[in-house]
Amino acid sequence: KQEVTQIPAALSVPEGENLVLNCSFTDSAIYNLQWFRQDPGKGLTSLLLIQSSQREQTSGRLNASLDKSSGRSTLYIAASQPGDSATYLCAVRTGANNLFFGTGTRLTVIP
Amino acid sequence: GAVVSQHPSWVICKSGTSVKIECRSLDFQATTMFWYRQFPKQSLMLMATSNEGSKATYEQGVEKDKFLINHASLTLSTLTVTSAHPEDSSFYICSARVGTGGQPQHFGDGTRLSIL
Repeated sequence: KQEVTQIPAALSVPEGENLVLNCSFTDSAIYNLQWFRQDPGKGLTSLLLIQSSQREQTSGRLNASLDKSSGRSTLYIAASQPGDSATYLCAVRTGANNLFFGTGTRLTVIP
Repeated sequence: GAVVSQHPSWVICKSGTSVKIECRSLDFQATTMFWYRQFPKQSLMLMATSNEGSKATYEQGVEKDKFLINHASLTLSTLTVTSAHPEDSSFYICSARVGTGGQPQHFGDGTRLSIL
């Protein structure tokens, strides 16, 4: 069974810093990997989707990389802002309907 | 684009009540809809997957008679928690997807269910 781990579980950084969130998965046979943001008491907002054949995706200040062979993905956030404070979840798809989520990294950006 | 609307956002009701949660894809037709459950400080756990016009596929350990899922159209799925009890209190999130597994899933804002 696919297991997804996110490190660290929580992270606090001062505003303006660049930061990296890590995601690892045990089964490299994936279709794609998706990064989400979840604000407290809210649903998920999709940030980036990386297909298994891709190495990275970028959207604004966000850059996600994928190393399928080693079972790792990173989410890089440049010039962090207080509005970036949220829980970030990565999820890997191993089948048509199987999306496995990590437990998330709770990010706090301090003004 | 790709907005998923979930209603209601918050429900408080007495034990034994049945509660229906709606999930709508507003600007796209969802081939597949998913229902997840999330406990505090934990990640999402898939409960069931449904395709329009077909019976839902439930994950192991999820009681299909307890959690009734109807996917009547390409834009609407409902989850009914029957005879809800305090242990059913949780955050329920729906998700919708167009086409196959290569497409991204889009999530609703969730429903917080509190059973007294």
